[in-house]
Amino acid sequence: KNEVEQSPQNLTAQEGEFITINCSYSVGISALHWLQQHPGGGIVSLFMLSSGKKKHGRLIATINIQEKHSSLHITASHPRDSAVYICAVSKGWLGNTDKLIFGTGTRLQVFP
Amino acid sequence: DSGVTQTPKHLITATGQRVTLRCSPRSGDLSVYWYQQSLDQGLQFLIQYYNGEERAKGNILERFSAQQFPDLHSELNLSSLELGDSALYFCASSFLPRTVVRYGYTFGSGTRLTVV
Repeated sequence: KNEVEQSPQNLTAQEGEFITINCSYSVGISALHWLQQHPGGGIVSLFMLSSGKKKHGRLIATINIQEKHSSLHITASHPRDSAVYICAVSKGWLGNTDKLIFGTGTRLQVFP
Repeated sequence: DSGVTQTPKHLITATGQRVTLRCSPRSGDLSVYWYQQSLDQGLQFLIQYYNGEERAKGNILERFSAQQFPDLHSELNLSSLELGDSALYFCASSFLPRTVVRYGYTFGSGTRLTVV
């Protein structure tokens, strides 16, 4: 079983819809990262969370440490949000390294 | 620009050859991480260096090696290349190990390696 599980694997939406991507993990972590990758492109860090909730523009990320679960929400989705969204965790002070353990990603397509 | 610079952006080479990928970390960051992204394996951690010394090792093949130089840039050397080594190779940097929460984590734009 993967240490980081994401769902759904694929997601299609109409422009304007509210989108939720979920991430569950099974290890102790110091931080959870939400990353965005456009086709053929580099990786952009959207959020890094150790507790609570963060908001940036139309993106909201939440984490529940007790339940080992995080969600990424996109409000008023737009075609430019089409990308792969990747959840990753780092053990940080719980381990001796900040290497990331990745989920398999969620491919999002938003149609006009 | 994330502050992490990777060169080259694209590399096409033949099987059996050797290549070197280069990464310059964000200014002030002492720790460098290498990741491989392939179609069948997704993103995987290869190796981490901190201030010139190897800090952690992941699923890195014996044909691959890395080092971090005194100016903190890092190189990933891939030798005896096989078709299956074709992938995107990402570098990331952070200030110190175990300080991700406070100081962040930055990815480079990657090097796309194609082995033919």
